[in-house]
Amino acid sequence: ETGVTQSPTHLIKTRGQQVTLRCSSQSGHNTVSWYQQALGQGPQFIFQYYREEENGRGNFPPRFSGLQFPNYSSELNVNALELDDSALYLCASSLESNRPDTQYFGPGTRLTVL
Amino acid sequence: GDSVTQMEGPVTLSEEAFLTINCTYTATGYPSLFWYVQYPGEGLQLLLKATKADDKGSNKGFEATYRKETTSFHLEKGSVQVSDSAVYFCALSLDGNKLVFGAGTILRVKS
Repeated sequence: ETGVTQSPTHLIKTRGQQVTLRCSSQSGHNTVSWYQQALGQGPQFIFQYYREEENGRGNFPPRFSGLQFPNYSSELNVNALELDDSALYLCASSLESNRPDTQYFGPGTRLTVL
Repeated sequence: GDSVTQMEGPVTLSEEAFLTINCTYTATGYPSLFWYVQYPGEGLQLLLKATKADDKGSNKGFEATYRKETTSFHLEKGSVQVSDSAVYFCALSLDGNKLVFGAGTILRVKS
């Protein structure tokens, strides 16, 4: 069974640009959660998708948006990038939406905004 | 709002020393509590969990007990190894769909 994979591994963008990050969930998992981890901080919940619908959102502005596809893979889109968006973006898939103990995390995408 | 506070690191220990990493939480209800570990270059991994008061989670020699009276979930290990060097995160979940993490504690174990 494959684990959670994310692409790209690293990304450099400039302020004002848009970015799309991708996540492939673990086989059999129908829920994907996205987290932002700033340097030296713990991950912060951005949002969760369950069966292609948004199922909870953290304290992030609307320029952070997402999608989940029928195969349960997911995208995180960030518009109008700001310097503070520089962080490690983590994707986690889980068996069900209410089972955080089944979350498997990917290795993350390191985004640098210049 | 809900939050988790961890002891600041880095924590530096010699091999076979006793480890304690403190974690306290603030929550509006009765959360489930977790410890995650992040090894260098790897993704976050669930280390252990506890879902109700007085539960003890354990895995790989690590233990933590859910203490409602002190709102704490301290991580302990009797004898650390160099391979335990990593970043440890305490986390809670109230609604079952999101995790609230602490800032993380770096552990360095010297041989």
